[in-house]
Amino acid sequence: SQQGEEDPQALSIQEGENATMNCSYKTSINNLQWYRQNSGRGLVHLILIRSNEREKHSGRLRVTLDTSKKSSSLLITASRAADTASYFCATFNNNDMRFGAGTRLTVKP
Amino acid sequence: DAGITQSPRHKVTETGTPVTLRCHQTENHRYMYWYRQDPGHGLRLIHYSYGVKDTDKGEVSDGYSVSRSKTEDFLLTLESATSSQTSVYFCAISVGPGLAGGIDYNEQFFGPGTRLTVL
Repeated sequence: SQQGEEDPQALSIQEGENATMNCSYKTSINNLQWYRQNSGRGLVHLILIRSNEREKHSGRLRVTLDTSKKSSSLLITASRAADTASYFCATFNNNDMRFGAGTRLTVKP
Repeated sequence: DAGITQSPRHKVTETGTPVTLRCHQTENHRYMYWYRQDPGHGLRLIHYSYGVKDTDKGEVSDGYSVSRSKTEDFLLTLESATSSQTSVYFCAISVGPGLAGGIDYNEQFFGPGTRLTVL
């Protein structure tokens, strides 16, 4: 069964806008990871946040983690057409990695 | 794709036939994983390996077996393919769980995928 569930399932924005995706999960975790998948390709790791961290930044990405609410969010600032992809959260606990069904992000030029 | 190749990239087969998918890495990473990706389900772990000849089941292991005789190769076998195994299969590798020098080695690197169709 899925551990993480992303919200929304699909998101369409204009270039330059910010995109926010949310992930909720059910059980305890060691860390939570976000991945991007371009159409027809494998997943690419974006960022990992450990259970004792609350916020992490990488370039235009900002990830937050609230373990009390069992939720995480991924913010992409100043989006570009090249950010169009599916984004997945994955929870990791004792070598058990569980992915959500993903958010499909479309950035219109 | 981080030194990971999968073969074949596409395969069409018939119900009841055996199928073997191969994952090859050049990174010398200890952990290797097989996932399947289906619409609405994200990725689901089939089996993983934590070393040569060391494997364990994942969430959806029924109907699949794996083998790892060398660090660089991880094989996924469908003993008797069924239509429900039509999917896109991804291999992934990681250094392995744990922290060292402040770096978390749990991130996984994915191969390009194999699209399998079972008729």
